[in-house]
Amino acid sequence: DGGITQSPKYLFRKEGQNVTLSCEQNLNHDAMYWYRQDPGQGLRLIYYSQIVNDFQKGDIAEGYSVSREKKESFPLTVTSAQKNPTAFYLCASSIAGGREKLFFGSGTQLSVL
Amino acid sequence: AQRVTQPEKLLSVFKGAPVELKCNYSYSGSPELFWYVQYSRQRLQLLLRHISRESIKGFTADLNKGETSFHLKKPFAQEEDSAMYYCALNNNQGGKLIFGQGTELSVKP
Repeated sequence: DGGITQSPKYLFRKEGQNVTLSCEQNLNHDAMYWYRQDPGQGLRLIYYSQIVNDFQKGDIAEGYSVSREKKESFPLTVTSAQKNPTAFYLCASSIAGGREKLFFGSGTQLSVL
Repeated sequence: AQRVTQPEKLLSVFKGAPVELKCNYSYSGSPELFWYVQYSRQRLQLLLRHISRESIKGFTADLNKGETSFHLKKPFAQEEDSAMYYCALNNNQGGKLIFGQGTELSVKP
């Protein structure tokens, strides 16, 4: 189905390795978001972007980086500086800002080898 | 600080019983509040938002500014309501949506 696509579904990271999670949307949405989902902690915002070539840090941006070179794409890189990367990562998009409904991807489960 | 609190990690009820999932928020401005739901093996999706004042799948939520609450209610729970429910707050700062910790609702037959 269309909408917002995350890949891969499962990802494993070795010590000291950077890994990149893909998020693509065909909804023509301006805003895109990355959340981290941990059991008992809900969703925590990592980064978000309101327009192309611009993005802001969320509450837990340390150890992560993003880019927004195209409207439809918002990849997230989990760097080696992120000491506890094992989590479920959710990408979302919305027409503009958080006032509108967020559409979520199906998520990527990242684990450390 | 803006914060959303869902005090119950797990709520277990029997089919046909009333359900209330609690959500309290901390926000100095005029809040915009939402409930999102994640059914098993499905994507997180919007259930309802307070500005719409709508009822979705029998659920309603009323914003109580005096108690800073936005509890989700349903008079008669169904087994298909079993899911993870998240309360969320839009802080009107560039579109950040702040989520609570989530409440798992289990409706038993």
